[in-house]
Amino acid sequence: KQEVTQIPAALSVPEGENLVLNCSFTDSAIYNLQWFRQDPGKGLTSLLLIQSSQREQTSGRLNASLDKSSGRSTLYIAASQPGDSATYLCAVGGGTSYGKLTFGQGTILTVHP
Amino acid sequence: GAGVSQTPSNKVTEKGKYVELRCDPISGHTALYWYRQSLGQGPEFLIYFQGTGAADDSGLPNDRFFAVRPEGSVSTLKIQRTERGDSAVYLCASSLLADSYNEQFFGPGTRLTVL
Repeated sequence: KQEVTQIPAALSVPEGENLVLNCSFTDSAIYNLQWFRQDPGKGLTSLLLIQSSQREQTSGRLNASLDKSSGRSTLYIAASQPGDSATYLCAVGGGTSYGKLTFGQGTILTVHP
Repeated sequence: GAGVSQTPSNKVTEKGKYVELRCDPISGHTALYWYRQSLGQGPEFLIYFQGTGAADDSGLPNDRFFAVRPEGSVSTLKIQRTERGDSAVYLCASSLLADSYNEQFFGPGTRLTVL
């Protein structure tokens, strides 16, 4: 059974810092990995999707890497801003079907001015 | 275009009652997914549809839960004889296809509270 772990559970940083969120998964037989952002009381917003054959994806100040063989992904956020404050969730697709995403518990990020 | 929409946004019911939660996917998306999120946890997969058929229902916790998508668009998640442990946010997502290339887009969720 796939298990996804995110470290740290919570992170508080001053504005302007570069930061790294970590995600690990136990079964390397994945199809893809997706990073999401969730604001309090809201649904999930997709940030980046990495195919299993890819090593990284970039969007603006965000960069996500994938090391499938070691079961790890990192989300790098450059020059953090207070508006980045949210819960960040990592999810892997794979296993019995393409459609099923297995999520980590999330990292709660607070960026203070 | 419009994103994934879910109704109602909030539902309060009593233990033992029947509830229906509705999801309208993004137009043209053939795959539709249901997840459940408890407080402080990541979402847990329940079921997904490719077209009208349930392609994977391995996440449904028991036979009180059932979902349909009769015309391959709107989906309804049905919960019979609700229990307090069913209280959670129920999230719906859709994607163009259920494959490794297409990201899932989520709706705002329905917060279900069972008293």
